[in-house]
Parts: sequence; structure tokens; C-alpha cells
Amino acid sequence: KNEVEQSPQNLTAQEGEFITINCSYSVGISALHWLQQHPGGGIVSLFMLSSGKKKHGRLIATINIQEKHSSLHITASHPRDSAVYICAAGKFETSGSRLTFGEGTQLTVNP
Amino acid sequence: DVKVTQSSRYLVKRTGEKVFLECVQDMDHENMFWYRQDPGLGLRLIYFSYDVKMKEKGDIPEGYSVSREKKERFSLILESASTNQTSMYLCASRSPFLGASPLHFGNGTRLTVT
Repeated sequence: KNEVEQSPQNLTAQEGEFITINCSYSVGISALHWLQQHPGGGIVSLFMLSSGKKKHGRLIATINIQEKHSSLHITASHPRDSAVYICAAGKFETSGSRLTFGEGTQLTVNP
Repeated sequence: DVKVTQSSRYLVKRTGEKVFLECVQDMDHENMFWYRQDPGLGLRLIYFSYDVKMKEKGDIPEGYSVSREKKERFSLILESASTNQTSMYLCASRSPFLGASPLHFGNGTRLTVT
């Protein structure tokens, strides 16, 4: 069993739909990261959170530390949101934070 | 804005060749990382460096080595490339002094070993 598991693996939505991607982890963490990877490979950090909720534009990330679960929500989805979304659990160490990554969720938003 | 630059987007090498993948960051970050990404396996840590000349093995270091002679540059070396090292390689950097700061990634190098 992976230490970080995402669901679903693939998700297809129509433009305008509300989207939720889930992430469960079994390791102790100090921060949970959500990343976005577009075709071509580059990865962008969307959120880093250790409690509660964060919002950036149409994206919302939540985390429940007790349940070891995080969700990424996209409101009013758009075709440009099509990408792979990756969650990663990080334990802060003085020498750097080694992240354990989920396998990613491939999101396709159709017009 | 942090910029992490990987020297090549695509690379084709032959089995047995020595391969160098270069990564440069411009934000004076102490920590730098090399990952490989394969379908169904996600991102896996090969090596990381928490300061100049300091390095630590990640989860899959076999067949790789690294060099960090200057703070801004972190090189990944495939001593003798093999076909099972065909993959997407991603470099990242972060500062450990800003709390749990985010990772900044390069655009990746897609390496094919034939």
C-alpha cells in the first residue's frame, strides 16, 4: 500500500463542473502539497497546507489532519484546468523536506 | 520568481554512455532534489542535496551519482546509462528556512536510452 494515495486516477468533467480530487496519506506530516503538471512536464506548486483550508482563485485545498485526508476542489472548471494533479506529503526536517508523492490524478475538462 | 532551469528538455543516449543532467536555480536555495517520474510510479527521489558538497541518497539512487560544487547547480550523473533509466527527470529546489516552503520544479528532461 502506498503511503500517499489519490483518487480518482482519471477524471473527465464538463466545463463548469465542480471537481474534487482526494488524497489520503499514512505518514506523519508537517505539510501536504498539491502540485499541477501540464503536458510537457513542468510542475507547479499550487498549495502547501498543514491545517484547515486554502483558496486561490477557483482552487480550494482542505486538509483533515485527524483523518489524514486532503481534498483539492476546482470550482467552475475550465478546459485549461486539464492537467495531472499530484499530492505529496512532507515531513519537515532541518536538512530538507522529503516528500512522498501520490501517483497523480489525470483531469480532463471538456468544453 | 524562482527559476529552476534544466539544461535539456529531450535527450537520447546510448546504453553504456555517461550522461550528465544539469540543473541550475537562481534563488540561492540550500536544498536541491533530483526525481524521476514514471507512469504508474509517480515521482521518486533519486538524490537530494541540502547544501554545497552535501548529498543524501533518496529512494532509488542505484546507477546514479550527483555533484553539488556550487550552491546554484546540482548535477545528476548516470555513470553507465541503461535502458531502464529511460524516464522523465525533474529537478527541484527549496529553501528550508522559510518554514515548510514549497518546491520549485524545472521543466524536466525526458531521457531516452537506446
